[in-house]
Amino acid sequence: KAGVTQTPRYLIKTRGQQVTLSCSPISGHRSVSWYQQTPGQGLQFLFEYFSETQRNKGNFPGRFSGRQFSNSRSEMNVSTLELGDSALYLCASRKPGTLQETQYFGPGTRLLVL
Amino acid sequence: DAKTTQPPSMDCAEGRAANLPCNHSTISGNEYVYWYRQIHSQGPQYIIHGLKNNETNEMASLIITEDRKSSTLILPHATLRDTAVYYCIVRSNAGGTSYGKLTFGQGTILTVHP
Repeated sequence: KAGVTQTPRYLIKTRGQQVTLSCSPISGHRSVSWYQQTPGQGLQFLFEYFSETQRNKGNFPGRFSGRQFSNSRSEMNVSTLELGDSALYLCASRKPGTLQETQYFGPGTRLLVL
Repeated sequence: DAKTTQPPSMDCAEGRAANLPCNHSTISGNEYVYWYRQIHSQGPQYIIHGLKNNETNEMASLIITEDRKSSTLILPHATLRDTAVYYCIVRSNAGGTSYGKLTFGQGTILTVHP
């Protein structure tokens, strides 16, 4: 079974630009969560999507947004990029509805903002 | 979700067992203990999880104390490839808006040396 895939794997942008990252969950997993990892703040939860609806949101500004499509694939968008947005962006998928569900992570997209 | 406490770093000799402790003294009855690890700049990898019974899989064993206030992840025969940051996470599987959110602490940096 294929794992969680994320594209692109690496990205360089400049301040003020916007970026869109993509995540394809494990087949059958209908929930996708996004995380940001920086050296200073560690791994922080951004938001979760399930059935094309945002179900939960972390403490990030409105410049960070996301969406989920009917095939469960998800995208996250960061507008007006700042230097501090440089990070590893991770997505994780799970299969809601099972008692002992587990989140499985993708390899991440490393974003560098210059 | 309950907060966890882990030592910042540990060393282990290759071939020996690595025992990684985690304190979760405020854990509640419906909260599971999850362990993930992250090898440098990769996405976190799920290792194992449990509720109150000890668990074992092909990667590791999880020992949870009877009062459930602490647990130990055991890698029975550590190899150099087990060098990683290990995260202990406590999370409810009972549903609700926090269902898809994992709260990561700083984890334990395990270094396996020859």
